[in-house]
Amino acid sequence: GDSVTQMEGPVTLSEEAFLTINCTYTATGYPSLFWYVQYPGEGLQLLLKATKADDKGSNKGFEATYRKETTSFHLEKGSVQVSDSAVYFCALSETDTGGFKTIFGAGTRLFVKA
Amino acid sequence: DSGVTQTPKHLITATGQRVTLRCSPRSGDLSVYWYQQSLDQGLQFLIQYYNGEERAKGNILERFSAQQFPDLHSELNLSSLELGDSALYFCASSVYRDGEQYFGPGTRLTVT
Repeated sequence: GDSVTQMEGPVTLSEEAFLTINCTYTATGYPSLFWYVQYPGEGLQLLLKATKADDKGSNKGFEATYRKETTSFHLEKGSVQVSDSAVYFCALSETDTGGFKTIFGAGTRLFVKA
Repeated sequence: DSGVTQTPKHLITATGQRVTLRCSPRSGDLSVYWYQQSLDQGLQFLIQYYNGEERAKGNILERFSAQQFPDLHSELNLSSLELGDSALYFCASSVYRDGEQYFGPGTRLTVT
């Protein structure tokens, strides 16, 4: 079945460091790919998305490129801030009997130290 | 603020009981999704409704059921509760285009 695999956390970085969180997926069709972020005590928020191969999603300095050949959607940011500390979820959505079925990765917790 | 509201925020109940969680989607969104988030299982998709009809089903137990009403709000009913049902339950909504979802703040259910 479809699945999403993320790198295990926690990831601890110093402020202004480069961030990469790896995400790979398996899917039978042509899914849309997403990154969501969950800050402490809150629900998930959409961070960025890509709907087809080679699309690049970007938001708030974060980027991810939909790589069909490697079935990956790695999240990157050039310079992290303390306020980026959160849990990041990679997800895919594809049609399933008329609806959209969404599968989330296990989440990667990021700590950014000042 | 995503525009998705969930009530109650917290719920404490005993094993064997039944509870109802409520969700109001963003204005204009026709799709509602329910998720369960627990420490050991992560974020699990339960069920999706679109304009009142069930559209996709995930790892939803038979003791759980949901529905979406004509005004588009949705309710998740959990019955014969067990300790393992303690979790955060999230509702999300979407316009029903490419699966982009907006999440509510969640209901924390504690079963004692």
